[in-house]
Amino acid sequence: EPEVTQTPSHQVTQMGQEVILRCVPISNHLYFYWYRQILGQKVEFLVSFYNNEISEKSEIFDDQFSVERPDGSNFTLKIRSTKLEDSAMYFCASSETGSPTGELFFGEGSRLTVL
Amino acid sequence: GDSVTQMEGPVTLSEEAFLTINCTYTATGYPSLFWYVQYPGEGLQLLLKATKADDKGSNKGFEATYRKETTSFHLEKGSVQVSDSAVYFCALSISSGSARQLTFGSGTQLTVLP
Repeated sequence: EPEVTQTPSHQVTQMGQEVILRCVPISNHLYFYWYRQILGQKVEFLVSFYNNEISEKSEIFDDQFSVERPDGSNFTLKIRSTKLEDSAMYFCASSETGSPTGELFFGEGSRLTVL
Repeated sequence: GDSVTQMEGPVTLSEEAFLTINCTYTATGYPSLFWYVQYPGEGLQLLLKATKADDKGSNKGFEATYRKETTSFHLEKGSVQVSDSAVYFCALSISSGSARQLTFGSGTQLTVLP
């Protein structure tokens, strides 16, 4: 069964360092997303991506965040200068359509710990 | 803004017990409603969904009915199993622009004891 894969599963970094989280969405999907969950809090939407550009982004997704699809298969989230409060589980997701009734397929998550 | 309020956990039940996890929502427009489940070490998986009022979503013995009058989408299962132990997330979706985003509840940890 096709699945969304994410790497790394866990990354520890120092405050101020750049981090890149990688995702391989399901191959025929066209819409891509990043969500995050700070420990003990809700899963929050960060950004959606379609047709090689950002479709929507939340207030959380400020200038230190960026996304790209560099090679037609990977979908990456870059955090330019990490802060302590960026420590969270980051989930990548993809969907075949942008329909509000359709299913999002999530990866297992990448846990980011900022020291 | 849109929001989902979910029953706080953790919830611990014995095998074959009845499960209810409450979920209520606030939304503009007419959202679609979902329950996602996260088993240990895995990503979130869609458990069931309902796209309009009075729809009932069901899967693996779980059910939830979209109640517009009470803005609720409570998850139920008549007889839980140890394998149902997981975190359950209620979520809603409203189309926004050219894509859509899910708004999640805080998740409810369920542990089923043999």
